[in-house]
Amino acid sequence: EVRLVESGGGLVQTGGSLSLSCATSGFTFTSYSMNWVRQAPGKGLEWIAYTDYSGSSAKNYADSVKGRFTISRDDANNLLYLQMNGLRDEDTAVYFCARGDWDYWGQGTLVTVSS
Amino acid sequence: EVVLTQSPATLSFSPGERATLSCRASQSVGTSLAWYQQKPGQTPRLLIYDASKRATGIPARFSGSGSGTDFSLTISSLEPEDFAVYYCQQRSDWPLTFGPGTKVDIK
Repeated sequence: EVRLVESGGGLVQTGGSLSLSCATSGFTFTSYSMNWVRQAPGKGLEWIAYTDYSGSSAKNYADSVKGRFTISRDDANNLLYLQMNGLRDEDTAVYFCARGDWDYWGQGTLVTVSS
Repeated sequence: EVVLTQSPATLSFSPGERATLSCRASQSVGTSLAWYQQKPGQTPRLLIYDASKRATGIPARFSGSGSGTDFSLTISSLEPEDFAVYYCQQRSDWPLTFGPGTKVDIK
């Protein structure tokens, strides 16, 4: 069974940092690209970051997070990360990880940024 | 950036009716378009990819069509569990973008 489980969300002050994790199982993690998507309260979906499969260094970011957020992966432990720095109030959202085929998503972790 | 437009924001139907949802792209995305369903408090569920291919386990009442800039998602006969928000997503160009969503609610 494919599973993606996010963790690391919480309340953080404006300008602060937070690191999210996505633990995966049930598939060959190294063969898949991965994404982070977020959803602000009551709003739609926003793609924010992509990392290619293991062995490729290709990454992409939405302009809204470029230079502040970093996506990375630990292929040995089937983990995906999102390092978030310089957090703004508008980064408040539920953050989802999604497999590269977009067929499996985690349940999401809530990040609240407040001054 | 490819902007996706979904209008109207809300559509109202009775169970058993046929529903057709629209998604328009600001520039051609070929057939690199997907549709998702999201219910309150739940994770988005992939319905359609490559404009017209049903994802694994998706009922045949869901179908997608279109290419270039105009796309449609059709639900042939609405079941009670189909009342939800539907998003389109383009995967043709970076940044990947989602439409604002169409809520399908019960008339």
